[in-house]
Amino acid sequence: GENVEQHPSTLSVQEGDSAVIKCTYSDSASNYFPWYKQELGKRPQLIIDIRSNVGEKKDQRIAVTLNKTAKHFSLHITETQPEDSAVYFCAASKRGGTGGGNKLTFGTGTQLKVEL
Amino acid sequence: GAVVSQHPSRVICKSGTSVKIECRSLDFQATTMFWYRQFPKQSLMLMATSNEGSKATYEQGVEKDKFLINHASLTLSTLTVTSAHPEDSSFYICSAQWAGSYEQYFGPGTRLTVT
Repeated sequence: GENVEQHPSTLSVQEGDSAVIKCTYSDSASNYFPWYKQELGKRPQLIIDIRSNVGEKKDQRIAVTLNKTAKHFSLHITETQPEDSAVYFCAASKRGGTGGGNKLTFGTGTQLKVEL
Repeated sequence: GAVVSQHPSRVICKSGTSVKIECRSLDFQATTMFWYRQFPKQSLMLMATSNEGSKATYEQGVEKDKFLINHASLTLSTLTVTSAHPEDSSFYICSAQWAGSYEQYFGPGTRLTVT
């Protein structure tokens, strides 16, 4: 099955700096890579996602890059703000085939702390 | 749009009893629902995948007789933790997906405490 590794486990940055979180996956058939932000005791919130036919996607301060050959993808947050502090999870899945939905395999999470 | 609710948000039960958690898609038809468990400071671990009208598919190591999943309609799935033990205490989160969609929409989670 799919295996997703995520680094670092904790990341502390100064407000205004950039933060980068990296993930690798094992299944070359995976074609959907979402990133989630989770605050304590809350549901994961999708912040950005990328499909395997695209190498980069950007949404305001957040961007994701995908390298299919190397099987890794990264989350980039620029101009970090204190409210960006949370746990971030990457995930990978295979979309396709008949029915059944596409199950997500999550990375281990990164605790991001943005300090004033 | 794409709102998923869960009930209850918190539940405390005694060891040996059963607890039912409901997951509802409020504004779309969820052909597939997923159930996850999350221990403190850990990632989400998929427990099972359920398709409407079919038996759930459980991940390796998840006891299907202990975690009963029913997906009887396109808007409701239930997870019943049977004969609960303290080690079942966890945060249980469901997600829902419609046919052809890449994205999963997550419920707010249920905090289960078994005493």
